[in-house]
Amino acid sequence: DAGVIQSPRHEVTEMGQEVTLRCKPISGHDYLFWYRQTMMRGLELLIYFNNNVPIDDSGMPEDRFSAKMPNASFSTLKIQPSEPRDSAVYFCASSLGQGAGNQPQHFGDGTRLSIL
Amino acid sequence: GNSVTQMEGPVTLSEEAFLTINCTYTATGYPSLFWYVQYPGEGLQLLLKATKADDKGSNKGFEATYRKETTSFHLEKGSVQVSDSAVYFCALSERADSWGKFQFGAGTQVVVTP
Repeated sequence: DAGVIQSPRHEVTEMGQEVTLRCKPISGHDYLFWYRQTMMRGLELLIYFNNNVPIDDSGMPEDRFSAKMPNASFSTLKIQPSEPRDSAVYFCASSLGQGAGNQPQHFGDGTRLSIL
Repeated sequence: GNSVTQMEGPVTLSEEAFLTINCTYTATGYPSLFWYVQYPGEGLQLLLKATKADDKGSNKGFEATYRKETTSFHLEKGSVQVSDSAVYFCALSERADSWGKFQFGAGTQVVVTP
């Protein structure tokens, strides 16, 4: 089975530009998570979805960040306008809800975002 | 709330040495416990898990035992290789939660030298 697929792998853009990160979860998984990883703050949960519905977005840093999941096989994380402090590696992960708590999260390879 | 505390890194050791990474947790219920590994430039990969007290998870020579009495889940490997150099994350998920939200530790970097 294919794992979680993220695109692009790398993104370099100037501050003020809109950035869109994409994620395709593992087929059949009903939970999807967006994380941000930085040296200073480690791994932070930004938002997660269950059956395409956002459940908890309390980790989204501010209104410049938004996430959508229009269907079970696709999600986006958008930053508009982007700022240098948004530079980080962004991970998408998915998991099965059945037996929740016992099921591991499966991570994509991440998008390394650099805002100049 | 739930939390996971890991020993700080980096941990530097020679090939074939014994590795221990300490992990302790606080949780309100009966969590499942996980170790993830992150190799440079990659995402986190599940290394092993344990879902109840006294369970031992094992994979690729790594082991960890779920100790409820000490709220710990220490990771061990008897003889490390250079290829084990990575960042290791301890994590918990409350079984009572319906959405499987994970609490990750800060990660411990391990550097194995030839």
